[in-house]
Amino acid sequence: QKEVEQNSGPLSVPEGAIASLNCTYSDRVSQSFFWYRQYSGKSPELIMSIYSNGDKEDGRFTAQLNKASQYVSLLIRDSQPSDSATYLCAVNPAGGTSYGKLTFGQGTILTVHP
Amino acid sequence: EAGVVQSPRYKIIEKKQPVAFWCNPISGHNTLYWYRQNLGQGPELLIRYENEEAVDDSQLPKDRFSAERLKGVDSTLKIQPAELGDSAVYLCASSRGLAGSTDTQYFGPGTRLTVL
Repeated sequence: QKEVEQNSGPLSVPEGAIASLNCTYSDRVSQSFFWYRQYSGKSPELIMSIYSNGDKEDGRFTAQLNKASQYVSLLIRDSQPSDSATYLCAVNPAGGTSYGKLTFGQGTILTVHP
Repeated sequence: EAGVVQSPRYKIIEKKQPVAFWCNPISGHNTLYWYRQNLGQGPELLIRYENEEAVDDSQLPKDRFSAERLKGVDSTLKIQPAELGDSAVYLCASSRGLAGSTDTQYFGPGTRLTVL
């Protein structure tokens, strides 16, 4: 089992719809979770971080974390064509003083069509 | 504030040749990371530095890969000799190095290596 798994893509949604991206992780002691966006040929760019159970909203983006289910998701409301990219889920598997050892999922390709 | 700088952006070499990548982190960032990203995959950590000390190099193939961060600022990653399977994007990232698990990593543009 991979340490971090994301829902297989590609995911295609119409403009204005909600895009839902999912991620599960295997290490129960993980404490910090990140969503990165990566445009084709570009480097990953952090868009959301979440550390506590529940929802965290930032503009059109909402991250949801459920540590009991070892599940983290990203919702993009009112999807725009400019949101078309690969979304990477990253998990700090150790937490505490072992910060920085991010493990990434394989990414989900999102396409928002007009 | 300038971002993470990497060079070169692209490199094409023949197998068995050496290659080196350079990274300059964001000013004031103590922690520096080298990742490798294969096509269609997420980045995988190769090595992490806290200042000039390599604190996690467990994923670095030490028979052919080496890295250094002599003055705790910029860093070089070297491959010698390169193999076909080394073709990938090599990403450098940096973070402030805060205690705890909330330290945010910022990525450079990467170096796309092609080994022929």
